[in-house]
Amino acid sequence: EDQVTQSPEALRLQEGESSSLNCSYTVSGLRGLFWYRQDPGKGPEFLFTLYSAGEEKEKERLKATLTKKESFLHITAPKPEDSATYLCAPGDAGGTSYGKLTFGQGTILTVHP
Amino acid sequence: GAGVSQSPSNKVTEKGKDVELRCDPISGHTALYWYRQSLGQGLEFLIYFQGNSAPDKSGLPSDRFSAERTGGSVSTLTIQRTQQEDSAVYLCAEEGQGWNEQFFGPGTRLTVL
Repeated sequence: EDQVTQSPEALRLQEGESSSLNCSYTVSGLRGLFWYRQDPGKGPEFLFTLYSAGEEKEKERLKATLTKKESFLHITAPKPEDSATYLCAPGDAGGTSYGKLTFGQGTILTVHP
Repeated sequence: GAGVSQSPSNKVTEKGKDVELRCDPISGHTALYWYRQSLGQGLEFLIYFQGNSAPDKSGLPSDRFSAERTGGSVSTLTIQRTQQEDSAVYLCAEEGQGWNEQFFGPGTRLTVL
């Protein structure tokens, strides 16, 4: 069974204080690791897809990296508007449903001015 | 602007009543997913439609839940004889241009009294 663990559950940062979020996963075969951002009362917003170990992708102050068992979302010099819940979801190549994703519980990020 | 829309945005119902939740997709996307997000929980996969193939219903929690997709477009999630534990945000998502890149609607918040 696919498993996804995100840590920490909650993270409080001061504006400009860089940090990283972790996503550990177990799948029979990874066909993509997806990161989403979710604001309160809204649906998840797509951020990145990573396909293979060693791959990195960046968007503004966010950089996502991938290893065979983990993905990290690095946040450089965050701003208050980066406050949100960040979700990761690996896609399992061995899953019975091509598109079904298993989501982690998320990390709630709060950036104080 | 364009995007997946869901209706209603909020639904309050009494235990035992049936409810219908609607998802209006972005034109041209073939894959559609329903997820459920309970308070403090991650996203839970419910059902997946892909083109004309039989839907993957493996995530539906009970036979009170059903969903259909008409003409490869609009989808309706029906919950019969609602229970208090059905209270959650129900999200639909469509697959975008990328491989498994899913775009989510804003969700329907269901409260069962």
